[in-house]
Amino acid sequence: QKEVEQDPGPLSVPEGAIVSLNCTYSNSAFQYFMWYRQYSRKGPELLMYTYSSGNKEDGRFTAQVDKSSKYISLFIRDSQPSDSATYLCATHTGGFKTIFGAGTRLFVKA
Amino acid sequence: DSGVTQTPKHLITATGQRVTLRCSPRSGDLSVYWYQQSLDQGLQFLIQYYNGEERAKGNILERFSAQQFPDLHSELNLSSLELGDSALYFCASSVAGTGADTQYFGPGTRLTVL
Repeated sequence: QKEVEQDPGPLSVPEGAIVSLNCTYSNSAFQYFMWYRQYSRKGPELLMYTYSSGNKEDGRFTAQVDKSSKYISLFIRDSQPSDSATYLCATHTGGFKTIFGAGTRLFVKA
Repeated sequence: DSGVTQTPKHLITATGQRVTLRCSPRSGDLSVYWYQQSLDQGLQFLIQYYNGEERAKGNILERFSAQQFPDLHSELNLSSLELGDSALYFCASSVAGTGADTQYFGPGTRLTVL
């Protein structure tokens, strides 16, 4: 079993839709949770960074962590074609090794 | 632009060969990370250096090695290349190299082994 599981998609939505991206993890020691966005032929860029449980909002993006169910989510409101990318969840214990999910490919149709 | 540079952008080589990938971190960042991204394995952590010293090791093969130089740039050496080594190789950098640090990724080097 992988430490972080993420559905690779692809996920296709119309412009303006609310997008929900999700990951599950197995290690209860994970404390830090991140979402990265990766455009085609580019390196990943950090979108959201949360510590422990709860919600964090940044513009159209909301990251949610539920440590009791080991479930992390990223919500994108009013999705735009420019949001089309691969979204990777990531986590670590506070140590030096970051574990990434496989990434979900998102397509937002105009 | 993250401020992390990687060279070359593309590399095509044959099985059994050896290549060197280069990374320059963002100005002020002391830590460098190397990752491999392939279609079937996703983004895999290989190794991390902090101020010239190895700090953490991930799923790095024995055929692969890395180092960080006094000017903080890093090189990843891949030897006895196999077809399965074809992948995107990313370098990332961060200020202090702790778990809570934000990592900034470079544009990657696409390696094709024929």
